[in-house]
Amino acid sequence: EPEVTQTPSHQVTQMGQEVILRCVPISNHLYFYWYRQILGQKVEFLVSFYNNEISEKSEIFDDQFSVERPDGSNFTLKIRSTKLEDSAMYFCASRKGTSSYEQYFGPGTRLTVT
Amino acid sequence: QQQVKQSPQSLIVQKGGISIINCAYENTAFDYFPWYQQFPGKGPALLIAIRPDVSEKKEGRFTISFNKSAKQFSLHIMDSQPGDSATYFCAAHSGGYNKLIFGAGTRLAVHP
Repeated sequence: EPEVTQTPSHQVTQMGQEVILRCVPISNHLYFYWYRQILGQKVEFLVSFYNNEISEKSEIFDDQFSVERPDGSNFTLKIRSTKLEDSAMYFCASRKGTSSYEQYFGPGTRLTVT
Repeated sequence: QQQVKQSPQSLIVQKGGISIINCAYENTAFDYFPWYQQFPGKGPALLIAIRPDVSEKKEGRFTISFNKSAKQFSLHIMDSQPGDSATYFCAAHSGGYNKLIFGAGTRLAVHP
């Protein structure tokens, strides 16, 4: 069964450094998302991406964040200058199309900012 | 208006019992209501989902009950098993906002 994959599974970085989190969505899906989950808390929406552009972003997704689909398979989240409060699990999700609302999540990347 | 309120925060059920988790929402623009199951260190896994034109959906031991007028929906897990022990999140989707809004989660423990 097709699944969303994410790399790395765990990333440790120092405050102020740039990180890139990578995702490979399910191959025939058209909508892509990033969510984050701070330890023990609920899953929070960051950004949605469709047709090579951001369709919506949350208040969390400020100028330090960016997303890109550099080729036909990868979807990346970049944090330009990490802060301690960026430490969280970051989940990528994908959805097939307009009439199908099911979002399938990847296993996540645990980001630890020291 | 964008919130989804979930209760209880935690739930302990004996093996074979029924687990019931409740969610409520305010925004009538929400048009799809999924439940996700999450094990520690893993991503949320889609369990079952319902659209507001249906009052109940059943898949195996999992049932969603949906009350459109009360703006509430619930997950029932019949014959709960220790392997069901996980955190369960309800969520809501609004087509106009193209995102899922999650509840706070319910940590379920099924004791043998």
